Amino acid sequence: QVHLVQSGAEVKKPGASVKVSCEASGYTFTDYYIHWVRQAPGQGLEWMGWLNPDSGATNYAQKFQGRVSMTRDTSISTGYMELSRLRSDDTAVYYCARAPYTNYVYLDYWGQGTLVTVSS
Amino acid sequence: QSVLTQPPSASGTPGQRVIISCSGSSSNIGDNYVDWYQQLPGTAPKLLIYNTNQRPSGVPDRFSGSKSGTSASLAISGLQSEDEADYYCASWDDTLNGSYVFGTGTKVSVL
Repeated sequence: QVHLVQSGAEVKKPGASVKVSCEASGYTFTDYYIHWVRQAPGQGLEWMGWLNPDSGATNYAQKFQGRVSMTRDTSISTGYMELSRLRSDDTAVYYCARAPYTNYVYLDYWGQGTLVTVSS
Repeated sequence: QSVLTQPPSASGTPGQRVIISCSGSSSNIGDNYVDWYQQLPGTAPKLLIYNTNQRPSGVPDRFSGSKSGTSASLAISGLQSEDEADYYCASWDDTLNGSYVFGTGTKVSVL
């Protein structure tokens, strides 16, 4: 069965960077996109962008361009999301999710989430 | 922040039918499929409906999706206590470089 397992919770100071990992199993890692979505405490879902694990191509939401980087290591079926210049309003649970290679996006499996707390 | 608008809450008694609306625009719902996600308290979202009206394997047929113009709906028939959760619509938006936009979310309560 498909599993996406994310790295553990992080506490960072404002201005720092955080890198969250997402290890895939139960399917061929390079056959599906990896998307990243975040959820601030008590708030809704916010899409951050996607990574094509096969080619390494990325597409970031305009809000995060210049501050986010999505990469992968295909040898260990793992995707990464790094967010820099952290602010207090980046405090959120960050999710990775899988999406099929189709013309239409939908996120069919999700990781368990990683809480990132930004506090001085 | 969200470009898709949902009612903040909906409720019903066990066995009732509940409908959640999702309002967008021509650049998202009007021109693309709609997906729905269910988020139980303290857990990750789960895909409930994709491509407007398709159910993934394992999702009960009590859940159904539809779309008309720039609005979409999720219907839950035969409401059950385990359906108490937050529900989010989502769609691709064609503006700028494109983005996947979520609805504001609807909290469903089972009375």
